[in-house]
Amino acid sequence: EAGVTQFPSHSVIEKGQTVTLRCDPISGHDNLYWYRRVMGKEIKFLLHFVKESKQDESGMPNNRFLAERTGGTYSTLKVQPAELEDSGVYFCASSQEAGQGVGNEKLFFGSGTQLSVL
Amino acid sequence: DAKTTQPPSMDCAEGRAANLPCNHSTISGNEYVYWYRQIHSQGPQYIIHGLKNNETNEMASLIITEDRKSSTLILPHATLRDTAVYYCIVRERYNFNKFYFGSGTKLNVKP
Repeated sequence: EAGVTQFPSHSVIEKGQTVTLRCDPISGHDNLYWYRRVMGKEIKFLLHFVKESKQDESGMPNNRFLAERTGGTYSTLKVQPAELEDSGVYFCASSQEAGQGVGNEKLFFGSGTQLSVL
Repeated sequence: DAKTTQPPSMDCAEGRAANLPCNHSTISGNEYVYWYRQIHSQGPQYIIHGLKNNETNEMASLIITEDRKSSTLILPHATLRDTAVYYCIVRERYNFNKFYFGSGTKLNVKP
């Protein structure tokens, strides 16, 4: 079974440019999450999709970040325009719907996208 | 947001048990304790989780104190490949959208 895949693995762009990160969750997983670690900081939650709906986007830093999950399969995270402080590693994770939603399921993480904004 | 406290680093001899402590003194009754690890340049990898009882799987054991204010992750026979940053995470049971990653413990397994 394929795991969570993220593309690209690395991206180097200049300040002001646009970058789109892609995440393919494990097949059949309804829940999809985005996290990121910026330089020297902890891994932080960005947002959570249940199928194609945004369940929680409280961690999104500002309106330069736009996440989509059309059709409830893969997701994209666009940063436009990118700023220097956006540099870091962006992780995607997925999990199956737990039914009763008791917070007991495992999150499976991808290897991340290393974003460098110059 | 961090709800856990872990030592920044620990050393362990190869083949010995690695015991990684975690304090979560503000944990509430509906929050699970999860352990993940991150090996260099990879994404976080699930290890184990529990609510009240001790848990064991093929990777590790999780010991949770009776008052649930702390826990210990045990790797019974550490290998060099277990060198990683280990994260102890609490997760709300009914508002489970987010994992709160702390700073983690860098475990160095030495030959």
